[in-house]
Amino acid sequence: SQQGEEDPQALSIQEGENATMNCSYKTSINNLQWYRQNSGRGLVHLILIRSNEREKHSGRLRVTLDTSKKSSSLLITASRAADTASYFCGGSNSGYALNFGKGTSLLVTP
Amino acid sequence: SAVISQKPSRDICQRGTSLTIQCQVDSQVTMMFWYRQQPGQSLTLIATANQGSEATYESGFVIDKFPISRPNLTFSTLTVSNLSPEDSSIYLCSVGPGGANEKLFFGSGTQLSVL
Repeated sequence: SQQGEEDPQALSIQEGENATMNCSYKTSINNLQWYRQNSGRGLVHLILIRSNEREKHSGRLRVTLDTSKKSSSLLITASRAADTASYFCGGSNSGYALNFGKGTSLLVTP
Repeated sequence: SAVISQKPSRDICQRGTSLTIQCQVDSQVTMMFWYRQQPGQSLTLIATANQGSEATYESGFVIDKFPISRPNLTFSTLTVSNLSPEDSSIYLCSVGPGGANEKLFFGSGTQLSVL
């Protein structure tokens, strides 16, 4: 069953701007993970945040998690054209397989 | 980490035929999963491939349509049977080498088009 729902579904920005994507989920989770998918191919893992964490950073990425609101956000700072991709959040409540949201399609124009 | 080789990368099949997708991992992994991504949609879990026993299917997916083999800890196949145009999707295998509550790694996917 679908776990997360990303917002917005599509986002278009210019290089150098920040991109923020939100994800909401329905059931309790052990962790939430963000992935990037280029051109409908395999998913690349970006960052994992556990249910007892509130914020995590990795390079230009910043993820927050609010378990009381069942929501997470992914911030990409100083975006680049190479960041153009679809971004998915996936939650795990069993400790194993992820249930993914609908994804946000990000377009970064030069 | 884990390196996953998924084959074929794409195929075009006729209605009523079957396609078998292979997933090879460069290390032994306990957890292996198969996902489907329909055009413009998110990923939906088809099943968990269990080594030495029958796969565990999610609601809406059945063994007759999606038979799965898992002969060892590094290899699995997914067959999509009796193909119809509605089966046109990307199919991805995924592994969790780190165990529970750790990140998953994905293969590059198989783009299936059914005519």
